Amino acid sequence: GQSLEQPSEVTAVEGAIVQINCTYQTSGFYGLSWYQQHDGGAPTFLSYNALDGLEETGRFSSFLSRSDSYGYLLLQELQMKDSASYFCAVRDRTGGFKTIFGAGTRLFVKA
Amino acid sequence: DAGITQSPRHKVTETGTPVTLRCHQTENHRYMYWYRQDPGHGLRLIHYSYGVKDTDKGEVSDGYSVSRSKTEDFLLTLESATSSQTSVYFCAIKGQGSAETQYFGPGTRLLVL
Repeated sequence: GQSLEQPSEVTAVEGAIVQINCTYQTSGFYGLSWYQQHDGGAPTFLSYNALDGLEETGRFSSFLSRSDSYGYLLLQELQMKDSASYFCAVRDRTGGFKTIFGAGTRLFVKA
Repeated sequence: DAGITQSPRHKVTETGTPVTLRCHQTENHRYMYWYRQDPGHGLRLIHYSYGVKDTDKGEVSDGYSVSRSKTEDFLLTLESATSSQTSVYFCAIKGQGSAETQYFGPGTRLLVL
């Protein structure tokens, strides 16, 4: 089966850097995605890693290690508006076009 | 903006009644998904579609059915609603030419009494 694990909550200070980890278990693997969701809103796509390494998009970066079945989302220069839930997601080669999401990490940014 | 709308946005219904949620997209995307979101569970896939009249089950499909008679509409039906189906339902589409980007609709909050 497929499973993803990520911390339930992370707290950080405005201006700091925070890393949200995600470990996954799948019988096949296409890539790891990250989504952000503010309270009351819909998830929005942040990044996607199909290959090992770091992908950078502005203040956000995402890393993947396929050999370790591990990835992380790195948020730099934290702002209050970054307070949200962050989900990692994978698509399994055996699952057609099904995407499985982690339970989410709630990020609290403090002043 | 991927042009995804959901209707209704909010609904209160009683146990045992049928409920249909609609997802509409305007950009001719092939793949469409229905998820439910509950506290502590993240997003769980109910059903998805990979074309007109082509659908498949997700991880929590029991009690739900779907239909896609035209590209732009993907309907989710709760044949006989139960209180355990109280949730927020999101529709999503997979971006064209993109391996994994999914764009989500605004969601439907369903309360089953």
